[in-house]
Amino acid sequence: GENVEQHPSTLSVQEGDSAVIKCTYSDSASNYFPWYKQELGKGPQLIIDIRSNVGEKKDQRIAVTLNKTAKHFSLHITETQPEDSAVYFCAASFTGGGNKLTFGTGTQLKVEL
Amino acid sequence: DGGITQSPKYLFRKEGQNVTLSCEQNLNHDAMYWYRQDPGQGLRLIYYSQIVNDFQKGDIAEGYSVSREKKESFPLTVTSAQKNPTAFYLCASRGTSGGVGEQFFGPGTRLTVL
Repeated sequence: GENVEQHPSTLSVQEGDSAVIKCTYSDSASNYFPWYKQELGKGPQLIIDIRSNVGEKKDQRIAVTLNKTAKHFSLHITETQPEDSAVYFCAASFTGGGNKLTFGTGTQLKVEL
Repeated sequence: DGGITQSPKYLFRKEGQNVTLSCEQNLNHDAMYWYRQDPGQGLRLIYYSQIVNDFQKGDIAEGYSVSREKKESFPLTVTSAQKNPTAFYLCASRGTSGGVGEQFFGPGTRLTVL
């Protein structure tokens, strides 16, 4: 089955700096890669996703890049703000078989003033 | 408001008791999912259902059971056979039109077995 590895497990940045979180996946059939943000005690919320026919996608301060050959994808957050502090999860899925998501182990992002 | 509701938010049970977690959605989604989250770990899939009256085991189904009698509801029962039931349980749903799509998550239920 699919295996997703996520690094780093914790990340501390100064407000205004950029943050990058990286994930690798094992199943070349995966074609959908969402990123979720989870605040303490709450359910995850989708912040951005990318499909395998696209190499990069941006939404304001957030961007995701995908390298299908190397089987890795990354989340980039620019101009970080204190409210960006949360746990971020990457995931991978493929069309069919229930579209099950396989999640990475999460990155605790802390944005310091 | 459209969304997914899970109840209760916190649940305490004695060891050896079965407990049922509720998940309801009014998004008209066909597919629903149950995940378990432990500290420092990602979400792991317990069961999923793509359509009413049908469901499949996920990666960690042992000790759990589900039913899908209505499109809106996908309750999860944590049985006494589950060795380490204390965890944060998350329900999600997904629309099935247009191939792969976003899974929407509920607020979660934190189960503590004493």
